Amino acid sequence: EDQVTQSPEALRLQEGESSSLNCSYTVSGLRGLFWYRQDPGKGPEFLFTLYSAGEEKEKERLKATLTKKESFLHITAPKPEDSATYLCAVQAMRAGNQFYFGTGTSLTVIP
Amino acid sequence: NAGVTQTPKFQVLKTGQSMTLQCAQDMNHEYMSWYRQDPGMGLRLIHYSVGAGITDQGEVPNGYNVSRSTTEDFPLRLLSAAPSQTSVYFCASSTPLTPNYGYTFGSGTRLTVV
Repeated sequence: EDQVTQSPEALRLQEGESSSLNCSYTVSGLRGLFWYRQDPGKGPEFLFTLYSAGEEKEKERLKATLTKKESFLHITAPKPEDSATYLCAVQAMRAGNQFYFGTGTSLTVIP
Repeated sequence: NAGVTQTPKFQVLKTGQSMTLQCAQDMNHEYMSWYRQDPGMGLRLIHYSVGAGITDQGEVPNGYNVSRSTTEDFPLRLLSAAPSQTSVYFCASSTPLTPNYGYTFGSGTRLTVV
């Protein structure tokens, strides 16, 4: 069964304090792993796609990495505006282009 | 560019009532999906469509119907609302023609069934 687990559930950081969010997954044939950001009361916003182990993507203070079992979202010197829930999703190699989401990590960055 | 538009943003229903959540996208995306988001459960797939006239069930389809008569629209119908259907509903679209395959989500419909 395809499964996505994110940890920690919640994370509080001081501004400038770097950390990492984890997404571990089991899927029968990975088509891609996706990271989204979700602000309160809004829909998720696409951040990154990773397709193969060893791949890395960067955007401002965020860097996503992928292994065969998990992905990390590294946040370097976060700012309060990085506060959001970060969602991980996997897409399996099956018909329908469907995604399976984790429950997210709620990040709070304190000034 | 409007992206994915969902209406209404908020809705309160009585148990047993029916209603349709509307979703429209203007990006000519082939794929459209409906998810519900509940605390501690993450986003769960209700129904999806890979093109006009083609729909299929997701993880939690019971109590919901969909149709896809055009590329742009993908309404979700609640047949007989139950309190267990209280949730936030998101519509999303995507296309295999863009390199990232990422979803574009609507802003959600917050539904309360009393």
